[in-house]
Amino acid sequence: AQSVTQLGSHVSVSEGALVLLRCNYSSSVPPYLFWYVQYPNQGLQLLLKYTSAATLVKGINGFEAEFKKSETSFHLTKPSAHMSDAAEYFCAVSVFQGGKLIFGQGTELSVKP
Amino acid sequence: KAGVTQTPRYLIKTRGQQVTLSCSPISGHRSVSWYQQTPGQGLQFLFEYFSETQRNKGNFPGRFSGRQFSNSRSEMNVSTLELGDSALYLCASSLAPGTSADEQYFGPGTRLTVT
Repeated sequence: AQSVTQLGSHVSVSEGALVLLRCNYSSSVPPYLFWYVQYPNQGLQLLLKYTSAATLVKGINGFEAEFKKSETSFHLTKPSAHMSDAAEYFCAVSVFQGGKLIFGQGTELSVKP
Repeated sequence: KAGVTQTPRYLIKTRGQQVTLSCSPISGHRSVSWYQQTPGQGLQFLFEYFSETQRNKGNFPGRFSGRQFSNSRSEMNVSTLELGDSALYLCASSLAPGTSADEQYFGPGTRLTVT
């Protein structure tokens, strides 16, 4: 069965610093992986997705993620944090039948000025 | 193109009542999924509809039900509300469930409070 683990429920960085949000997955089949962001009182916005075309995936707002099969990881990074990046981030894996996402518990990112 | 819309945005109900939430997908999207978000359990899949048929269902009691109409709009219903049903209910749409690679686009959610 597929599952997702996000390491760290809360991450705090300074503005301009590297953002690294960790996600490990478990899947018996090649996974499709997603990162979503949620701002307060809003729904989820897709940042990027991995669908086996390339291991380094670039998304919106300067975020990217690298799929590492050997480590079963799909960590999200951004070289330089901005105050507007403060939000909650969710990693998700798609069940192969489609239409069902399994989410990690989320990581709240705080950005200090 | 308009995004996923959900109505109402906020709802307060009392225990034992029933509630219906509505979701309109992005134009052209035929698949609609529902999720429940709570601080304790996080984001959990409720069910998914495509062409008016439920294709997938999560581990929720039968009090939670849904349907999809011919125009792809979807509703979910919760009967005999319990305090634990207080949550943000999110709807997501995608083009079609042909592959798991289809990204889902989420609406703003309906915040349900049960008192």
